[in-house]
Parts: sequence; structure tokens; C-alpha cells
Amino acid sequence: AQSVTQPDIHITVSEGASLELRCNYSYGATPYLFWYVQSPGQGLQLLLKYFSGDTLVQGIKGFEAEFKRSQSSFNLRKPSVHWSDAAEYFCAVGDNTDKLIFGTGTRLQVFP
Amino acid sequence: DAGVIQSPRHEVTEMGQEVTLRCKPISGHDYLFWYRQTMMRGLELLIYFNNNVPIDDSGMPEDRFSAKMPNASFSTLKIQPSEPRDSAVYFCASSLGSSGSSYNEQFFGPGTRLTVL
Repeated sequence: AQSVTQPDIHITVSEGASLELRCNYSYGATPYLFWYVQSPGQGLQLLLKYFSGDTLVQGIKGFEAEFKRSQSSFNLRKPSVHWSDAAEYFCAVGDNTDKLIFGTGTRLQVFP
Repeated sequence: DAGVIQSPRHEVTEMGQEVTLRCKPISGHDYLFWYRQTMMRGLELLIYFNNNVPIDDSGMPEDRFSAKMPNASFSTLKIQPSEPRDSAVYFCASSLGSSGSSYNEQFFGPGTRLTVL
């Protein structure tokens, strides 16, 4: 069965600094991979997704993620973090069913 | 479109009471998902529907939980009787896609925060 691991529970960065959130997945074939963001008191919003093609995926709000099959990873990056990026970030994996499996999330805190 | 609508946004009830959570998916979407989010277990899929038909309810924790989708624009998640361990945020999400297509974006509602005393 597929699974997702987000090893960092909580990350703190300064505004303007670069950001990388880690995500590792377990799945036998090429998975569908997603990053969602959850702002306080809100539902989840899709940032970006990968299912084939170019392994570097661009998303909304200046985020990007790179699929690395050899490392079973799909890390999320942003070159310069804004205070409004403070939120919880979820990596998710899907296969050839209708379901997504979500990671446990990484809470991002941004200091001015 | 108004997005996925959930009601109520907050619910406080006493143990043993019946709780009904409501969801209106985005018009035209044919998939509807119910999730539960807790600190301990993260985001768990409880059940999902395709064209109003329950497809997989393997995530429903026990018989106290039930979900229905009487038409394409409305779904309910019911807990009867409720217990303190049911306290969580319950999300509804909808998507548009064909079977076996988990790559379709799921649109989430704002959630219902349930507290069972």
C-alpha cells in the first residue's frame, strides 16, 4: 500500500529565506503526487501536482516541487518565503484509484 | 462558484447526542469525500461517493458513523451516539473526474470543528 512521510513536523524560517519541505512516498509504480496548503481555520488548497512529464512542477504562490524517482521524494520549494506563507503543508500520493493518502503535515512558521 | 459548503462550522455537543454534518459539493462534481483531521491521526479519509453512490467506506471508524448522499448537491455525515474521541475537524471535498483518477484536484470545504463533551 502507498504511504507518505513528511519527516519535519514543524519548520521555522525568516521572511525572505528559502524554503524546502520534504516529502517521501512509498508506491510501486509512478504515483500521482500533490502538495496542499492549509491556512488556519481553512480547508486544504492545492498548490501543485505531478503525474507525468517534467519532473519540476510549478505551482501557485511561487511554489515548485521536484519529483525524484530514485529518492522517492517530492520536495516542495520556494526561493523567498513571505509571512503569508505561514500555514500547514500536506504532501499526498494517489494511485490508480480515486483516493489520496495524505502525509501528517509540516507546520511552517515565518518570522519577520 | 461558492466552493464546497459545509455546515455547521462549529458544533459542540454532549456525549451520546446525535450529530449531523452537512456538505454541499461544487456543482457538477461527481466525487465527494469525507475526511477527519485530528492531531494524533492527521487527515483520514472516512468515505467517498461517486455519482451519489458510496464507493469505499473502509475508513469509517465504526457503526456509529454513517454517511448519505441523497442527491448530487447534498451529503451528510452522521454520528450517533457521539463520543468525546470523535472530536475533530471534519472536511468535505469534491472533485470532477473519471474512475481511477486520483490525480483530479480535490476541492475542500472549510471544515466543521466538532467538540464532544
